Amino acid sequence: NAGVTQTPKFRVLKTGQSMTLLCAQDMNHEYMYWYRQDPGMGLRLIHYSVGEGTTAKGEVPDGYNVSRLKKQNFLLGLESAAPSQTSVYFCASSYGWDTPYEQYFGPGTRLTVT
Amino acid sequence: ELKVEQNPLFLSMQEGKNYTIYCNYSTTSDRLYWYRQDPGKSLESLFVLLSNGAVKQEGRLMASLDTKARLSTLHITAAVHDLSATYFCAVSSGGGADGLTFGKGTHLIIQP
Repeated sequence: NAGVTQTPKFRVLKTGQSMTLLCAQDMNHEYMYWYRQDPGMGLRLIHYSVGEGTTAKGEVPDGYNVSRLKKQNFLLGLESAAPSQTSVYFCASSYGWDTPYEQYFGPGTRLTVT
Repeated sequence: ELKVEQNPLFLSMQEGKNYTIYCNYSTTSDRLYWYRQDPGKSLESLFVLLSNGAVKQEGRLMASLDTKARLSTLHITAAVHDLSATYFCAVSSGGGADGLTFGKGTHLIIQP
């Protein structure tokens, strides 16, 4: 049982390049989330999904797209990276309405855009 | 718009002392979470508080929730160096479906 995994762990991009971050969970969770963490800002929600095939915008969605084609995977895409997207990205998942209510976080992806 | 404020944002204390971190939130919430984060690491779940008056304890940490005051506290008893970390509170308003709103975190340093 690996929990929540993220690929890659580190990445350096040049401005304008694109990339996809992969989040996978093996706990059969319904809900999945993408957050970004910047110094002094706490975590902010980018996009989330309440089930396979569904996605919705969070607090800071601009410049990102997501897809959830399979229940266990949640992909975060940057179409044209900007220096302002330099951050640590965390994926999380949870069962949904039922207990337990915890959100389980992945190890994070450290992204630098130059 | 749901807002979450933590204070203090930075705390340096000595081993053996007691202290409390405060978390205020702006609108009705159905769940309140406390997380711990070590430098360069992910978030570790500490507590989930669901109802008014809820109190949970784990070791030297105790969390409580007052939904009427929209306030949660994380109390540290007889602090030890291993508790040095950043502590976040977070709130959900939609059963968790629409994610969590986090405070900015409290950076706690416990000195021997």
